[in-house]
Amino acid sequence: GAGVSQTPSNKVTEKGKYVELRCDPISGHTALYWYRQSLGQGPEFLIYFQGTGAADDSGLPNDRFFAVRPEGSVSTLKIQRTERGDSAVYLCASSLTGGINEQFFGPGTRLTVL
Amino acid sequence: GENVEQHPSTLSVQEGDSAVIKCTYSDSASNYFPWYKQELGKRPQLIIDIRSNVGEKKDQRIAVTLNKTAKHFSLHITETQPEDSAVYFCAASSVGGADGLTFGKGTHLIIQP
Repeated sequence: GAGVSQTPSNKVTEKGKYVELRCDPISGHTALYWYRQSLGQGPEFLIYFQGTGAADDSGLPNDRFFAVRPEGSVSTLKIQRTERGDSAVYLCASSLTGGINEQFFGPGTRLTVL
Repeated sequence: GENVEQHPSTLSVQEGDSAVIKCTYSDSASNYFPWYKQELGKRPQLIIDIRSNVGEKKDQRIAVTLNKTAKHFSLHITETQPEDSAVYFCAASSVGGADGLTFGKGTHLIIQP
């Protein structure tokens, strides 16, 4: 079946602009995660959804970052007033129910802030 | 919060030899430890995981060991092959807590022909 998909695959924007990154999880997966991966580093946890609600947003770096999952499926990560330091690959993962179930990663969105 | 340290950052081994990557974690409440393989420009893919109620798990050429007392876990790859070349990440999670994974910084494994 289809895996986790993310769009766009690449996004180039200018400092100060607003961006939205989309994640389509595996159908039926209730848990959804966003991570950020900088060059040469491991993925860094941002936020975790269980269904429609954000169960844990402790990884969001500041209030410029926000994510939604209104219908419990597709999720959008929103970044306001982008900064050059936001440049990274943003990875989405989904899991059947969360907990100790495997997290399946999407291909990521490479965000470049000029 | 959880902190995961991973060593070495780069590991070069001859094809056919074994490779060992080690990780330590800080949060004694962590009880789920997956390992991911990431090829250049690709997504991370789970290769093996272990729960805290077991000390060792094996899947063909790959094994993981966990020492909860010392708070460290290791990945062992035997009979390495060229396709094993990639970056490997360990991670830890506190199930029932945040559920988000805390990753190590990765090990670049190079298999020399």
